[in-house]
Amino acid sequence: ILNVEQSPQSLHVQEGDSTNFTCSFPSSNFYALHWYRWETAKSPEALFVMTLNGDEKKKGRISATLNTKEGYSYLYIKGSQPEDSATYLCVTRRAGGTSYGKLTFGQGTILTVHP
Amino acid sequence: KAGVTQTPRYLIKTRGQQVTLSCSPISGHRSVSWYQQTPGQGLQFLFEYFSETQRNKGNFPGRFSGRQFSNSRSEMNVSTLELGDSALYLCASSVSGGSPEAFFGQGTRLTVV
Repeated sequence: ILNVEQSPQSLHVQEGDSTNFTCSFPSSNFYALHWYRWETAKSPEALFVMTLNGDEKKKGRISATLNTKEGYSYLYIKGSQPEDSATYLCVTRRAGGTSYGKLTFGQGTILTVHP
Repeated sequence: KAGVTQTPRYLIKTRGQQVTLSCSPISGHRSVSWYQQTPGQGLQFLFEYFSETQRNKGNFPGRFSGRQFSNSRSEMNVSTLELGDSALYLCASSVSGGSPEAFFGQGTRLTVV
């Protein structure tokens, strides 16, 4: 893996469904992984930042896990609601010198939750 | 606590002109990085400034430049605008060192006609 890759690109679910997205990233020189929720015309909203292998974070119905050895992270949404509709971005930081300040983005997963 | 402020929010320019965009980070944050999103593309790294110094630069032509002031506010400039520069420009603010958290502005939507 050379870049940050997210799947699926888009997802349509019914209200109440649970869903999950995947983010794959280069495991070398890993420093941190961020998940953001981004609605049109708004700032990306930070959901989680994880740095340690095995990290699990939870915020209400949303949770995330991190595996730095194999280079992947999962984002789970339990009982999706229409207001969860947004683009979910996976973003990484790499360690080492000036690389720290550069964020690398996945293409995002567009989630649409139908009432 | 005020968030990251980008100005202007929307801008229309003509090919060949130049443009300056501004990003005011969260108070106390010393790192500002800039990203470009063109239609159908993900966010691409332009450059990062820390304590008034450019620390890292992405793969963009020299028409794209930036600077950071002593109060950490940053500007990016694009000279000799091309149609392909039409994009959303997003800036991120970080403390740098310690917490890896990054906070974003709402972006500036630039349209080149």
